[in-house]
Amino acid sequence: DAGVTQSPTHLIKTRGQQVTLRCSPKSGHDTVSWYQQALGQGPQFIFQYYEEEERQRGNFPDRFSGHQFPNYSSELNVNALLLGDSALYLCASSLERERFRDEQFFGPGTRLTVL
Amino acid sequence: RKEVEQDPGPFNVPEGATVAFNCTYSNSASQSFFWYRQDCRKEPKLLMSVYSSGNEDGRFTAQLNRASQYISLLIRDSKLSDSATYLCVVTSAGGYQKVTFGTGTKLQVIP
Repeated sequence: DAGVTQSPTHLIKTRGQQVTLRCSPKSGHDTVSWYQQALGQGPQFIFQYYEEEERQRGNFPDRFSGHQFPNYSSELNVNALLLGDSALYLCASSLERERFRDEQFFGPGTRLTVL
Repeated sequence: RKEVEQDPGPFNVPEGATVAFNCTYSNSASQSFFWYRQDCRKEPKLLMSVYSSGNEDGRFTAQLNRASQYISLLIRDSKLSDSATYLCVVTSAGGYQKVTFGTGTKLQVIP
C-alpha cells in the first residue's frame, strides 16, 4: 500500500524563480492538501484540492497555485520566489468520504531553499 | 491570540518519567483534535485522535477539555524513542474543515 510520495526531496532555487512540487496521494485517497512548514514552526495550510478543483485556501498569496490531476496527484507551483519561501513543503492526502475522520496522511516533504 | 498555542519547550525529561503537554485553541466551534509526532526533518505522523471522553493508547493518554478549550497529551514511562516534536492539530467546523497546527512542543528524553 503506497503512502504519500513527494518529489523532489530537496530543491535549491534563487529569488524570482518559479518552482513546481509534486505529490502522489496515498493509494485510494482523492483529496490532497498542501502545507508550508518554516523552520521551528508548525505546518501552515496552503490549499486543498478535490475533484481537480481548489476548494479551500489558507492565507497565502496568489504566487502559490496548484493543480490536481484526474489520477488525484497534485502539483504546487510557486512563482516569483522570495527568501521567505524557504521551507519544508508537505503534501497530505485524505479520503473525501471519510472526511468526518479528519485524518490526513503526510508525505515526506520537499525541502525548498531559496537563495 | 494564536488559533492554536503550544509551549515550544524543549521539555528535557529522564527515561521513565511522565511528561504532559497542553495545547489551547481559540475557536470554540473546533470539532476535531489530534496529536501528531514529528521527528527531526521528517513529516508529521498521526499519534492519536483526541475525544471528549479521552483516549489511551499504551503509554499515551489524550484528553479534551472543551469548556477550557485545551487538549493534553500525557506520556508515561518515557522512552528515548519518544524524543520528537509533538504537534497539536485542531480542525474547525464548517463546509470544509480548516486544519490548524500548533507550533509544536519539543520533547527530549535523556538517558
